[in-house]
Amino acid sequence: GQQVMQIPQYQHVQEGEDFTTYCNSSTTLSNIQWYKQRPGGHPVFLIQLVKSGEVKKQKRLTFQFGEAKKNSSLHITATQTTDVGTYFCAGKGTYKYIFGTGTRLKVLA
Amino acid sequence: DVKVTQSSRYLVKRTGEKVFLECVQDMDHENMFWYRQDPGLGLRLIYFSYDVKMKEKGDIPEGYSVSREKKERFSLILESASTNQTSMYLCASSLASYGYTFGSGTRLTVV
Repeated sequence: GQQVMQIPQYQHVQEGEDFTTYCNSSTTLSNIQWYKQRPGGHPVFLIQLVKSGEVKKQKRLTFQFGEAKKNSSLHITATQTTDVGTYFCAGKGTYKYIFGTGTRLKVLA
Repeated sequence: DVKVTQSSRYLVKRTGEKVFLECVQDMDHENMFWYRQDPGLGLRLIYFSYDVKMKEKGDIPEGYSVSREKKERFSLILESASTNQTSMYLCASSLASYGYTFGSGTRLTVV
């Protein structure tokens, strides 16, 4: 069946450093979504990418959707302590979204 | 803002009990979902519904059932709770293919 893998599983960075998480699907996706879950909280929708090669920015966050629509990345520039949490991608296959296992980001002040 | 409300934040039940987890959304979304979240396993889809009285199995439906009698309410039922169903349960709703809005979750412990 369809699988969505996310790497790395954990990432510790010093405040001010950049951070990237990658999402890879075993099949072509119709679109991909990204979510952030703060410690003790629930996932919150960040963005959706639909087009091949699409790049979207939200302040210090840059989201990319691969040309083949099988991978995606989230890059955070100059991390802050408020960026702490787990970032999930969710890829839409035939009719439903499959969530990646998430990347847990810890930012050291 | 869309609000998804889950009836309990924490729940402790005994093995063999029938457990009801309730979820209500207030924005007329067609789609509703139940996930469980376990460390290292991410979010796994249990059941979903695209309309009233309609339900579809997700990836891990065994031991669970659902009910959607009204558009705003989607209930998850554990017919006979077992210890391996101890988990965080998250309800979500969405409009068409837009992003999901999640509830705050119910942390269920089965003893």
